[in-house]
Amino acid sequence: EIVLAQSPGTLSLSPGERATLSCRASQSVNNNYLAWYQQKPGQAPRLLIYGASRRATGIPDRFSGSGSETDFTLTISRLETEDFAVYYCQQYGRSPLTFGGGTKVEIK
Amino acid sequence: QVQLVQSGDEVKKPGASVKVSCKASGYNFMSHYGITWVRQAPGQGLEWMGWINPYTGDTKYAQKLQGRVTMTTDTSTTTASMELRSLRSDDTAVYYCARASIQLWLGDDYYYYMDVWAKGTTVTVSS
Repeated sequence: EIVLAQSPGTLSLSPGERATLSCRASQSVNNNYLAWYQQKPGQAPRLLIYGASRRATGIPDRFSGSGSETDFTLTISRLETEDFAVYYCQQYGRSPLTFGGGTKVEIK
Repeated sequence: QVQLVQSGDEVKKPGASVKVSCKASGYNFMSHYGITWVRQAPGQGLEWMGWINPYTGDTKYAQKLQGRVTMTTDTSTTTASMELRSLRSDDTAVYYCARASIQLWLGDDYYYYMDVWAKGTTVTVSS
């Protein structure tokens, strides 16, 4: 199965700063079928990005995804207070679907 | 609007079974979408459990759960269900159903991401 390694584990930033989250796959992700989800405490995950770079419906344009094959990045251009959460990458190019371990973005 | 509503929280003893339901509304339950189940143990990350195609009834399960999990759908009520048997303490988790948006379909292989999630059902396994 494809193992996804997310880094860093925790990112401490201030509102207004730029956040760069990394997701590295143990094998190439077919068709760049990689998604990013945001999860806040006590809530279900929310889809942000699919197909590595396509924003889901209703997602602000401060969220962007990039990358291909084994290296993917989620960028939040200017952090808003509501963006402090845990972010997961997930590949769906090969069964079984797998998730990364998550990156927590916390307020500095 | 598209909505998934799950059944209530459960407390079970080791060795018992649990069945969680997921009522879908606001979209065509049998077209271009599946239902997938994901769980999250306390303080841990997300784990894919499997998926079902409501139109064909096709299922695919995570290997570690094979033989213990069954996913079904009732198209007349647009409800999906997930049953997990022989429960153990490490099955304690929040169980989510999510709509699987199919991006590509090749034969028996489906490539999808989860675009709508239910709020989750907490299943606690304890003696």
